[in-house]
Amino acid sequence: AQTVTQSQPEMSVQEAETVTLSCTYDTSESDYYLFWYKQPPSRQMILVIRQEAYKQQNATENRFSVNFQKAAKSFSLKISDSQLGDAAMYFCAYRSSLTQGGSEKLVFGKGTKLTVNP
Amino acid sequence: DAMVIQNPRYQVTQFGKPVTLSCSQTLNHNVMYWYQQKSSQAPKLLFHYYDKDFNNEADTPDNFQSRRPNTSFCFLDIRSPGLGDAAMYLCATSPGRYSTDTQYFGPGTRLTVL
Repeated sequence: AQTVTQSQPEMSVQEAETVTLSCTYDTSESDYYLFWYKQPPSRQMILVIRQEAYKQQNATENRFSVNFQKAAKSFSLKISDSQLGDAAMYFCAYRSSLTQGGSEKLVFGKGTKLTVNP
Repeated sequence: DAMVIQNPRYQVTQFGKPVTLSCSQTLNHNVMYWYQQKSSQAPKLLFHYYDKDFNNEADTPDNFQSRRPNTSFCFLDIRSPGLGDAAMYLCATSPGRYSTDTQYFGPGTRLTVL
């Protein structure tokens, strides 16, 4: 079974600075998808960024980028120019490739609570 | 705006008293999921529907049931809630079963069991 580990329960960053959230995962599959979801307080979880394992290029979405190291099974999220609205719980998640007969469920880490200080 | 709606946002029930949580969506997605998120833990999939096809996770307790009367609505029934069932319950939808399909989440229902 796949597992996802987020080793930082809490992180803080000064507004306008850069922060990196860590995520590692364990799998024996070669094809899969990785996600970062953001859950602001009392609001729904939304997708921040997605990475396909077969793609070597790291995904980028505006101020959000990932460092995907497939061999190391590492998938960190970098937030540049942090804003107050970035404060939230961030979840790393894994999903198998259905073309390899995997399950379609998301396997989540326990989350990292990010505080942005003004 | 198209969205995933969960009612109620907060639910209090008594030990052993059946409770139903509701999820509706205006996205017209084929797949609906229920996740359980206990305090300081990762969200965990309980089951999902692909259209009318119900898919239960192997480790979901029998105490948890689900109904999907139509595309828009899905219900989570807890037949005899125990103290250990207190959690946030998240509903999510996705267009289909493709790996690239994004899951869209509702705000969750926080269940308290007294």
